[in-house]
Amino acid sequence: QLQLQESGPGLVKPSETLSLSCTVSGGSVSNVIYYWAWIRQPPGKGLEWIGSVYYSGDTFYNPALKHRVTISIDTPKNQFSLKLISVTAADTAFYYCARVPRGVIRGVNWFDPWGQGTLVTVSS
Amino acid sequence: DIVMTQSPDSLAVSLGERATINCKSSQSVLYNSNNKNNLAWYQQKAGQSPKLLIYWASTRESGVPDRFSGSGSGTDFTLTISSLQAEDVAVYYCQQSYTSPPTFGQGTKVEIK
Repeated sequence: QLQLQESGPGLVKPSETLSLSCTVSGGSVSNVIYYWAWIRQPPGKGLEWIGSVYYSGDTFYNPALKHRVTISIDTPKNQFSLKLISVTAADTAFYYCARVPRGVIRGVNWFDPWGQGTLVTVSS
Repeated sequence: DIVMTQSPDSLAVSLGERATINCKSSQSVLYNSNNKNNLAWYQQKAGQSPKLLIYWASTRESGVPDRFSGSGSGTDFTLTISSLQAEDVAVYYCQQSYTSPPTFGQGTKVEIK
């Protein structure tokens, strides 16, 4: 059974860089029929797709965050990662990683399964 | 971006009764090439991550109870819980994957009356 687990600091200072990793078990990030995604959810609010990555390293980003986001993949470690620069309080959220089956639009489809999520707070 | 609007924002339903959640997209999410609607539904229980219930608007994910069903096409979609159980208390989200960026509805909170 595929499982995803987010990891990284729970507290980041304003203007610094948020860095998270997602470790995949029970499956391979090199599987050609899937993308791997990051989604976030401010506490008590809705869901926002951050971006997706393919095993080849191809990336697909939300235009709203594209100028601040880098998603990368490490196939030997079976992990993918998120970096978000110049964070502010507005970036405080639960960050989830998820698997995305390939569809018509590259990097985009439904999300299943999701990791348990990790809360990242931006505060000095 | 495609805007997804759910209604109502919350609803309270008696145990065993039907719950109906609506989702409207700002443009059609139907692919003519494969005649599939790129619309998914998720359930998020308190303190948990979202769980996929339905994809392609009406295909139930493996393991999802058959009291959950999805319907609709084009811009108007519905998630129905035919007989509400206590474990169905959650927030439900719709999501389109017709275009990038994929976008979610604001969520509908389902409670027991």
